Amino acid sequence: QSALTQPPSASGSPGQSVTISCTGTSSDVGVYNYVSWYQHHPGKAPKLIIYEVNKRPSGVPDRFSGSRSGNTASLTVSGLQAEDEAHYYCNSYGGNNNFLFGGGTKLTVL
Amino acid sequence: QVQLVQSGAEVKKPGSSVKVSCRASGGTFRDYGINWVRQAPGRGLEWMGGIVPVFRTSVYAQKFQDRVTITADDSTTTAYMELNRLTSEDTAVYYCARAWMRRFDYWGQGTLVTVTS
Repeated sequence: QSALTQPPSASGSPGQSVTISCTGTSSDVGVYNYVSWYQHHPGKAPKLIIYEVNKRPSGVPDRFSGSRSGNTASLTVSGLQAEDEAHYYCNSYGGNNNFLFGGGTKLTVL
Repeated sequence: QVQLVQSGAEVKKPGSSVKVSCRASGGTFRDYGINWVRQAPGRGLEWMGGIVPVFRTSVYAQKFQDRVTITADDSTTTAYMELNRLTSEDTAVYYCARAWMRRFDYWGQGTLVTVTS
């Protein structure tokens, strides 16, 4: 199985919204409701921010939202803040207890 | 609250093996699966494999199938990841993570493995 496809970079000014895409196939993103997103700051452990396509864990601001259309999932960060600058990774269940990560997107807050 | 604490940094020679541990506290260890994810310098996150909850079997990404062994000791609530035949390409930070309902909700602090001659 190949990695999921994400744009390498995204950017926006404080207060703006930015959307990051994650493209898989009909064998992973397109068929399972187990798409999750992780925020990763350098030197720290990744943090779960979206699970099951569009659900937020307790404590994650509602500025973070997820969606899916066909084989492509998306993460939208609204009202960008400086602390949102990080790498973002999507992940999908791929069947047979396998998982796939996207290549990661570096989000820059201008 | 689940906590995952990993073993310390390792320096290994090419061709050798490394075994990283991940001690879990909180929750019921047997009910969740510990998975391993690595990040090489300048690269993204890469899923290596994990323990399947309930069944307690191991599953591996095809890329690592013949070189990695992931085990769990329920008596000490500790999971292990052993990677063999190391090369410089295996230099990375290795994370353990709890897989709960097919999402990784708790992560260890990461263990840096450096492979150098």
